[in-house]
Amino acid sequence: EVQLVESGGGLVQPGGSLRLSCAASGFTFTSHEMNWVRQAPGKGLEWVSYISSTGNTIFYADSVRGRFTISRDNAKNSLFLLMNSLRGEDTAVYYCVRETIAVGGAPLDYWGQGTLVTVSS
Amino acid sequence: QSVLTQPPSASGTPGQRVSISCSGSSSNIGSKPVNWYQHLPGTAPKLLIYSNNQRPSGVPDRFSGSKSGTAASLAISGLQSEDEADYYCAAWDVSLNGQVFGGGTRLTVL
Repeated sequence: EVQLVESGGGLVQPGGSLRLSCAASGFTFTSHEMNWVRQAPGKGLEWVSYISSTGNTIFYADSVRGRFTISRDNAKNSLFLLMNSLRGEDTAVYYCVRETIAVGGAPLDYWGQGTLVTVSS
Repeated sequence: QSVLTQPPSASGTPGQRVSISCSGSSSNIGSKPVNWYQHLPGTAPKLLIYSNNQRPSGVPDRFSGSKSGTAASLAISGLQSEDEADYYCAAWDVSLNGQVFGGGTRLTVL
């Protein structure tokens, strides 16, 4: 069974940092591209970042570029998101999401349950 | 303001057919496949339709997708109470180099 379990969320002050982790199991992690997607309270889904299966290709949404860093450890089946210079508008549930293999259009076929990040003083 | 445009709400009665539209541009829907997601509050979003009109295993054939030019559509036939959820369209945007989502459509089953 595919499982994606996020951790590391919590309350942080504006300007602070937080590192999210995602533990993957039940599939060949090294074969899949991965993403982070977030949902702010009362808002819709927003894509945050993408990383290729090898980690060689990375993309970010304009809203987080320069502040967030995505990475992965294929030896430990883990995905990470380091978030610096956090702002109130970064408050959201952050989802770790797997991309389907070999299908155009980057469908996101498995989602974790999410971890809540609250940026507030 | 979302890159892809969806109506904020839709509704129907049990057994009816409803359709949700999604409008984009040449850099996303016009050049890349569209995917649809169903999101029930408090749960993880679920992939409903991929590559414009393909259903993942386990998704009932009551759900169907289509695309024409820079617009896409999700249709739900034989509406059921458990279909009440938020629905999002999404596509890769070649100009932004990232996924873009619609603002979401809240479907109410009356």
